Amino acid sequence: DAGVIQSPRHEVTEMGQEVTLRCKPISGHDYLFWYRQTMMRGLELLIYFNNNVPIDDSGMPEDRFSAKMPNASFSTLKIQPSEPRDSAVYFCASSFRGKAFFGQGTRLTVV
Amino acid sequence: DQQVKQNSPSLSVQEGRISILNCDYTNSMFDYFLWYKKYPAEGPTFLISISSIKDKNEDGRFTVFLNKSAKHLSLHIVPSQPGDSAVYFCAATRSYIPTFGRGTSLIVHP
Repeated sequence: DAGVIQSPRHEVTEMGQEVTLRCKPISGHDYLFWYRQTMMRGLELLIYFNNNVPIDDSGMPEDRFSAKMPNASFSTLKIQPSEPRDSAVYFCASSFRGKAFFGQGTRLTVV
Repeated sequence: DQQVKQNSPSLSVQEGRISILNCDYTNSMFDYFLWYKKYPAEGPTFLISISSIKDKNEDGRFTVFLNKSAKHLSLHIVPSQPGDSAVYFCAATRSYIPTFGRGTSLIVHP
């Protein structure tokens, strides 16, 4: 398995634009997590899914953030509209029995 | 409210010496603990883990110790190598959901 695959690796966008981050988890994993890494907060859990169902989105900072997992092999995190304070590295991770594996991350810059 | 705390943002160690990274947690319901290593521009990678029913787990140069009464775990790296220079995150898991600390940046000097 190629591991967790995220795209794009880098995204630069203008304030107000919609941004969509993508994630392909490891086959067979039943949990999928979206994290945001910042200097201030470290690795911050935004939302997680279990068997494609969103379980806890209490970490999503605002209604501008949404996430979907239409099937076991794909998830998206969308920010609409984006703001400069959303600039961070966003990680997707999938896990089975508690051991999470991370993607390479998407570095988002909102100017 | 941080449930998992890594109180040392950075640690500097000489090559060949022991590196000790510490982590404290507040929730006694955590049942599985992990350490991850992160290089710049990469995602965190799994390093070593320990179940709450154990107090020590060893894998080569890496050993994790768990003190449940103190709600404390530590990662020992012996001997430290320059390639170990990275950010180390500890994570505590409950019902398969990990909560991460903010990380400790380890620098191993040649």
